[in-house]
Amino acid sequence: GAVVSQHPSWVICKSGTSVKIECRSLDFQATTMFWYRQFPKQSLMLMATSNEGSKATYEQGVEKDKFLINHASLTLSTLTVTSAHPEDSSFYICSARGLLEGSYEQYFGPGTRLTVT
Amino acid sequence: QQQVKQSPQSLIVQKGGISIINCAYENTAFDYFPWYQQFPGKGPALLIAIRPDVSEKKEGRFTISFNKSAKQFSLHIMDSQPGDSATYFCAAKLGQGGKLIFGQGTELSVKP
Repeated sequence: GAVVSQHPSWVICKSGTSVKIECRSLDFQATTMFWYRQFPKQSLMLMATSNEGSKATYEQGVEKDKFLINHASLTLSTLTVTSAHPEDSSFYICSARGLLEGSYEQYFGPGTRLTVT
Repeated sequence: QQQVKQSPQSLIVQKGGISIINCAYENTAFDYFPWYQQFPGKGPALLIAIRPDVSEKKEGRFTISFNKSAKQFSLHIMDSQPGDSATYFCAAKLGQGGKLIFGQGTELSVKP
C-alpha cells in the first residue's frame, strides 16, 4: 500500500522561532501534496496545495508568508511555520496524491503535533 | 455549495450493533465520495469510497449507501467492535484534480 511519512511526529518550539515539518511519499511519486491543519475535535482544514516544482496554492485566510511550503521533489514536501506563536499550536497533516494502480488516490501522513510555548 | 454536512456529531453503539453515519452534499458535480477513519493522534486513513454511478459498495463490515437523487450517502458499520471506536469523516471530491471537501466528523464509541 501507499505510505506517507511525516517528521517529526511531535515538536515543541518557543514563540518566535520557526519549525519545519517534512512529508514524504515512501513508495510512490506524489504529483500533488496537500497540507491540512486540525484542531481538537474538529475536521481537517486544507491550508495549501502544492504541485512538484510549482508554487503552492494557499486557501483563503492562510498566510503564505507564515506557512512556507516547498515541494522540491516528487517524494518530498516541507511546511515551515515561521515566527510561530501559541495560536499556531495544532495538528498538521500532510497528504500526497499520485497515480497508483491506474487511478489517482490521496493518502495521508500520520500527522505532526506542534506545540508553541 | 461546496459543503458536506455530516451527522451525527457523536455516536455510541453497543458491540455487535450497526453504526450508521450520514452525509449530505449540495454540489451535484462531485464524483468521488470517500470515508476516512481517524484514531486519536493519527492521520486519517481511507476506509472505503464510492462513485455516484453505483448505489452501494461493501467491503467487509463496511458499506456505503449512496442516494444520488437525495444527494446523500452513508456509512454502515456492521457488527461494530470496540476497535472501531474512532472519528469518521466523509468527504467529496470534484474531478481527478479536485480537493477533498470534508464533513465535520463523527466520533464513534463502541461499548463492549
